[in-house]
Amino acid sequence: DGGITQSPKYLFRKEGQNVTLSCEQNLNHDAMYWYRQDPGQGLRLIYYSQIVNDFQKGDIAEGYSVSREKKESFPLTVTSAQKNPTAFYLCASSIGEIPNRNEQFFGPGTRLTVL
Amino acid sequence: AQSVTQPDIHITVSEGASLELRCNYSYGATPYLFWYVQSPGQGLQLLLKYFSGDTLVQGIKGFEAEFKRSQSSFNLRKPSVHWSDAAEYFCAVGASSYGKLTFGQGTILTVHP
Repeated sequence: DGGITQSPKYLFRKEGQNVTLSCEQNLNHDAMYWYRQDPGQGLRLIYYSQIVNDFQKGDIAEGYSVSREKKESFPLTVTSAQKNPTAFYLCASSIGEIPNRNEQFFGPGTRLTVL
Repeated sequence: AQSVTQPDIHITVSEGASLELRCNYSYGATPYLFWYVQSPGQGLQLLLKYFSGDTLVQGIKGFEAEFKRSQSSFNLRKPSVHWSDAAEYFCAVGASSYGKLTFGQGTILTVHP
């Protein structure tokens, strides 16, 4: 089955620690995205990547970093510089061509809690 | 900059009743519009999308939405709600240039038996 996998489903971190969230897709999609979801605020874009070895900051990139070394993978690192990292994180992907580039498919999410 | 407003934070309907969830957007060019549904603790599932053409679009699970350019709206409708439709619904607008989606704040749907 084609889809997007995110791991782990739940993640706990102590303050001051970096943590990496995994996102893998086997849909052969060119573009991948990371969103943060907080109650009552919808989804906010952290980073996105349209092709391998290239990525751009979204609306709330401070305190986060990403890499895109392989087409299938787009890991997100939440660094100690992120002041309020407790949230639900969603990864998405889409094909590269307009307009379908806008149609994004989502993974099941990772809930990060900072203790 | 694009934006999306979902005026209703929470809606409660009885099972079997009709449903309309409102969505208004702001975007300078032709919008690409989407409705997603999310169950608690889960990812988002695409219900339907509008790119061009017929302004009334059909989606999965019996949902439909109508694009009204004059009102900058893309409201989601269902003629008869089922208890399994209880979830949070998100409207989103896409920017054609690089696929960025801007989401509304979501509407939580509660269904009473």
